[in-house]
Amino acid sequence: AQSVTQLGSHVSVSEGALVLLRCNYSSSVPPYLFWYVQYPNQGLQLLLKYTSAATLVKGINGFEAEFKKSETSFHLTKPSAHMSDAAEYFCAVSGHNFNKFYFGSGTKLNVKP
Amino acid sequence: SAVISQKPSRDICQRGTSLTIQCQVDSQVTMMFWYRQQPGQSLTLIATANQGSEATYESGFVIDKFPISRPNLTFSTLTVSNMSPEDSSIYLCSVYGLAGGPTGELFFGEGSRLTVL
Repeated sequence: AQSVTQLGSHVSVSEGALVLLRCNYSSSVPPYLFWYVQYPNQGLQLLLKYTSAATLVKGINGFEAEFKKSETSFHLTKPSAHMSDAAEYFCAVSGHNFNKFYFGSGTKLNVKP
Repeated sequence: SAVISQKPSRDICQRGTSLTIQCQVDSQVTMMFWYRQQPGQSLTLIATANQGSEATYESGFVIDKFPISRPNLTFSTLTVSNMSPEDSSIYLCSVYGLAGGPTGELFFGEGSRLTVL
């Protein structure tokens, strides 16, 4: 069975500060991992994905994530937060056949001016 | 990317009634899924909509409560039957496997916000 755990349901950072959103996965085989963002009253949008190529993955809007097998982690980072980054972020996992995607509990990012 | 249209975008329903949500994609897709996002919570997979056959339900979800149809590669419906206030939620259609599209990307509709009184 596959699952992801997101630590911290709410994260608050100042504009210009580092953003770090944590995600750990559980899987019997190396999974595929994803980060999605959901802006208020909108659907989910893919930020980035890891599908067993490079372990450091760059996504849209300056976000990146690093797959660390030894730590079973896939944390999302951005060097400098912008007000427009305020949203809810979901980590997700799937198997290699992409037949199911499972989502973490989500982390709401608040960016203070 | 895919354009996914869900109808209705929101509705207010009475207890005991049923509501059918439609999901239309602008291109053929391999897989279609239905998720539920309850207030303040994450996405929970309800079922995989299989073209021309019965949907595959996740643990805790049953066909009698959430009948699903998928008559072709671009359209699916989810019915929420005999609704109760606990069914108040956002229901999201998602798709995977666009013809000629990127591998490993799940696309989402904007959701159908259901309130049951």
